[in-house]
Amino acid sequence: AQSVTQLDSHVSVSEGTPVLLRCNYSSSYSPSLFWYVQHPNKGLQLLLKYTSAATLVKGINGFEAEFKKSETSFHLTKPSAHMSDAAEYFCVVSPYGGATNKLIFGTGTLLAVQP
Amino acid sequence: EAGVAQSPRYKIIEKRQSVAFWCNPISGHATLYWYQQILGQGPKLLIQFQNNGVVDDSQLPKDRFSAERLKGVDSTLKIQPAKLEDSAVYLCASSELRNTEAFFGQGTRLTVV
Repeated sequence: AQSVTQLDSHVSVSEGTPVLLRCNYSSSYSPSLFWYVQHPNKGLQLLLKYTSAATLVKGINGFEAEFKKSETSFHLTKPSAHMSDAAEYFCVVSPYGGATNKLIFGTGTLLAVQP
Repeated sequence: EAGVAQSPRYKIIEKRQSVAFWCNPISGHATLYWYQQILGQGPKLLIQFQNNGVVDDSQLPKDRFSAERLKGVDSTLKIQPAKLEDSAVYLCASSELRNTEAFFGQGTRLTVV
């Protein structure tokens, strides 16, 4: 079965320090992987996506993620956190390389940024 | 480009009542999704349409939930009768055919009391 596991439900960092949000996936075939962000009372917004091209994917707002097949991981990073990054982040897998357009969400990681 | 439109934004109903949500996807997007997001959890797919056909409704509680996408454009999701555990945000999303980049609406927050 296809799934994603977000290893931390809450992460707290200080402004200006690095961010690491961890995600492991399970998929029988080459998946497409995504990170979405959800700010309070806002819709889900795509941060970045991996679709079997370059393994290091750059997204919006300085975020990036690296696809590591050997570790079945797709961790999200940012070198320096900003207060506006405080939000909930979802790792998402689309099995079969996205052929069915199906999206399976993780349980989310709530990122808090301290001043 | 207009985004995914959903209405209403908020709805409060009593248990055993019925409710309907409406979604208008981005123009030209063949795939439309309805997700249920319970507080503190990730979104769970309820139903996925491709044009006006159902691709996946394996997690839709069919005894009380129904959805349709007539003419392959906008869609309605109905709950009848509602239960307390249906309290959640209902998200609609759309994507182009064979493109998994989905665009989400702001959701409808349903409270069942």
